[in-house]
Amino acid sequence: AQSVAQPEDQVNVAEGNPLTVKCTYSVSGNPYLFWYVQYPNRGLQFLLKYITGDNLVKGSYGFEAEFNKSQTSFHLKKPSALVSDSALYFCAVRLRIKAAGNKLTFGGGTRVLVKP
Amino acid sequence: KAGVTQTPRYLIKTRGQQVTLSCSPISGHRSVSWYQQTPGQGLQFLFEYFSETQRNKGNFPGRFSGRQFSNSRSEMNVSTLELGDSALYLCASSLGTGGASGANVLTFGAGSRLTVL
Repeated sequence: AQSVAQPEDQVNVAEGNPLTVKCTYSVSGNPYLFWYVQYPNRGLQFLLKYITGDNLVKGSYGFEAEFNKSQTSFHLKKPSALVSDSALYFCAVRLRIKAAGNKLTFGGGTRVLVKP
Repeated sequence: KAGVTQTPRYLIKTRGQQVTLSCSPISGHRSVSWYQQTPGQGLQFLFEYFSETQRNKGNFPGRFSGRQFSNSRSEMNVSTLELGDSALYLCASSLGTGGASGANVLTFGAGSRLTVL
């Protein structure tokens, strides 16, 4: 069975500093990888995905993620955090098989707090 | 274009009752998935429907059921509600499902927050 781990429940960072949210996964094969963000009382918003190719993926709002196959990691990064980036971030995986459909397996989430 | 619409946004039920939640996907999207979000268990997959057929089902008891209509709108039902069913129920839609479409992005609605007393 697949699993996704986000080892940090919360990440605190000062505005303007780099932000990193960690994600590791345990899945057979090479999954699709996703990052979503959730603001209070809202659904999840898509940030970026890894399909294949370049290990550095660029996404929305200045976010990027680095895929590392050997470490089975997909860490989310932003060079300069904004107060408005404060939210709950989720890493997710999806198997590359037809039978998996659109089923996403999510990590437990990491709360990001960016202080002015 | 309009996003994924979920109704109702908030509802309160008592134990033993049943509830039906509705989801209208983005126009043209044929896949609808449902997730349960709780503080303790996080985000868990409930089921996915594509072209009115259930494609996948998560590890939930039979009290949780769903369906999809010909216009791709979906409903989920929870019968004999328990306190532990209190959660945010999220619906997500996508153009396709599985295989080469597996990289399709899910677009989520704002959710229906269910409180069971």
